[in-house]
Amino acid sequence: DGGITQSPKYLFRKEGQNVTLSCEQNLNHDAMYWYRQDPGQGLRLIYYSQIVNDFQKGDIAEGYSVSREKKESFPLTVTSAQKNPTAFYLCASSSPSDSLVLETQYFGPGTRLLVL
Amino acid sequence: QKEVEQDPGPLSVPEGAIVSLNCTYSNSAFQYFMWYRQYSRKGPELLMYTYSSGNKEDGRFTAQVDKSSKYISLFIRDSQPSDSATYLCAMSAGAQKLVFGQGTRLTINP
Repeated sequence: DGGITQSPKYLFRKEGQNVTLSCEQNLNHDAMYWYRQDPGQGLRLIYYSQIVNDFQKGDIAEGYSVSREKKESFPLTVTSAQKNPTAFYLCASSSPSDSLVLETQYFGPGTRLLVL
Repeated sequence: QKEVEQDPGPLSVPEGAIVSLNCTYSNSAFQYFMWYRQYSRKGPELLMYTYSSGNKEDGRFTAQVDKSSKYISLFIRDSQPSDSATYLCAMSAGAQKLVFGQGTRLTINP
């Protein structure tokens, strides 16, 4: 089964702690994305990567970091600098070579991060 | 002003009704338009995809794009309780960067 997996489903962070959210895809997609979703709000882009070993900041990158060492993996670290991390985090991927649905992103099931 | 505006609702209609969901946008460079459906505590799933202006139909769902008015719509015919979800519009000018609306929370009452 091709798809995007995110783990864990729920994550708890203590004050001053860094936590890492996992995102893996086996769709052979080139591009991967991280979004944050707050209640009653749309998705806001944190970071995106169009190719291995390269990534760009999105609209709300402060307090977050990413790496893209492998095509199928794009982990997100929520650092202690992110003062309001409680949110639903969504990972997505897309492939520009998919000519039938250009620009379309496919999403994982999400990770809910809560602060203790 | 946000690039994409979507009424957050909530919208509640009886089963079998026709539902109309809408988004307006300000960036005339947008040419790819999508509707995603998101069930509670799940990731969004792609429902409809449209390139440029026009209509697209898929079963009970119809997507419309009016670029001259910068307005897109999603119509759901014969709505079912299983259609109850949050519907997100999304659009792109290219370069794979999507801009999302706020999402409209829809409830279909049996």
